[in-house]
Amino acid sequence: LVLTQSPGTLSLSPGERATLSCRASQSVDSNYLTWYQQKPGQAPRLLIYGTSSRATGIPDRFSGSGSGTDFTLTINRLEPEDFALYYCQQYGRSRRTFGQGTKVEIK
Amino acid sequence: EVQLVESGGGLVKPGGSLRLSCAVSGFNFSTYKMNWLRQAPGKGLEWVSSISSSGIYISYADSVKGRFTVSRDNAKNSLYLQMNSLRVEDTAVYYCAGGSDIDYWGQGTLVTVSS
Repeated sequence: LVLTQSPGTLSLSPGERATLSCRASQSVDSNYLTWYQQKPGQAPRLLIYGTSSRATGIPDRFSGSGSGTDFTLTINRLEPEDFALYYCQQYGRSRRTFGQGTKVEIK
Repeated sequence: EVQLVESGGGLVKPGGSLRLSCAVSGFNFSTYKMNWLRQAPGKGLEWVSSISSSGIYISYADSVKGRFTVSRDNAKNSLYLQMNSLRVEDTAVYYCAGGSDIDYWGQGTLVTVSS
């Protein structure tokens, strides 16, 4: 299973909407699709689990959707603290796969 | 407060060994699946290994199978990763992480494999 994230870099201004894509090489169980945010020098943080459920403390401007092979993370009204790297991940009983990441940078 | 504190990283020569430890507090460790992940400098996240809450079910990435061994001590709220036959390409920050969705992450420990 390969997860391909696009675009590699997204250049946006605060207040804009970010749409990040994660495409799987084969259909995945949406219960096991997660999204993480990582800032420089920090560990990743869980944003979304089960494709669309926000983790504890995650603002509602973050939302996830999708099914089958196509999944999306949407960030409405970008805040300065949202400029970071984002990874999707799929896991099964015995292994996990990460996408290569999308960098959301300030335009 | 949830805390995962990794230790044991450092500089090792190719072919050498290291044992990473992760001390956990703030959640019910014995009921959580635990994971090791790594991130090479400037690269993305890579899953290394997972161990079920009981320690019975264990899995490894192909890149480390046969060289790394994961274990846990639920009485000590601790997770371990024994790394043998280390290669230059194992150089990375190693993260201890808890949960099937990986709710909890440590801050990572740097392992550098170099001659």
